[in-house]
Amino acid sequence: AQSVAQPEDQVNVAEGNPLTVKCTYSVSGNPYLFWYVQYPNRGLQFLLKYITGDNLVKGSYGFEAEFNKSQTSFHLKKPSALVSDSALYFCAVRDIGGKLIFGQGTELSVKP
Amino acid sequence: DTGVSQDPRHKITKRGQNVTFRCDPISEHNRLYWYRQTLGQGPEFLTYFQNEAQLEKSRLLSDRFSAERPKGSFSTLEIQRTEQGDSAMYLCASSPTGDGEKLFFGSGTQLSVL
Repeated sequence: AQSVAQPEDQVNVAEGNPLTVKCTYSVSGNPYLFWYVQYPNRGLQFLLKYITGDNLVKGSYGFEAEFNKSQTSFHLKKPSALVSDSALYFCAVRDIGGKLIFGQGTELSVKP
Repeated sequence: DTGVSQDPRHKITKRGQNVTFRCDPISEHNRLYWYRQTLGQGPEFLTYFQNEAQLEKSRLLSDRFSAERPKGSFSTLEIQRTEQGDSAMYLCASSPTGDGEKLFFGSGTQLSVL
């Protein structure tokens, strides 16, 4: 079965510093991987996806993610964090029928 | 606004009552998904439709839950004889058919069962 794991429940970063939110995956076949962000009392917003091609994927709001096949990871990164990036981040993998299987989420807190 | 819309945004009900939620997907999207999310957890897949056909149901979807998409457009999710454990955010998403397509999510319906 397809699955993803987010090993950190919370990540704390100072504004202006680089941030990384970790995700590892377990799939049969080629992985289709996604990152979504959720603000309080809101639905999920798409950030970026990896289907094939370049291992470094660029997405919305200055985020990027690096696909690493040997480490089965798909970490989310941003060179310079903003306070407004504080939110809940979900990694997901595509499963049969196009549905997404989500990780448990990582709460990102960016302090001024 | 041409995004996914869900109604109502909030629902408070008493244990044992029936509730129904509605989801209007993006109009040209063939696929529609229902998820459930509890506090501090990731969304859990419940069921999905390809046009009007319900193609998969999670084991999480007990017999008290039923979903429909009668004309391949909007969908409803009904919970009969609600229990306190049903309290959660119910999220709807839609997507075009095709490999690697992203899901577009609505803002969800927050259900509280007293």
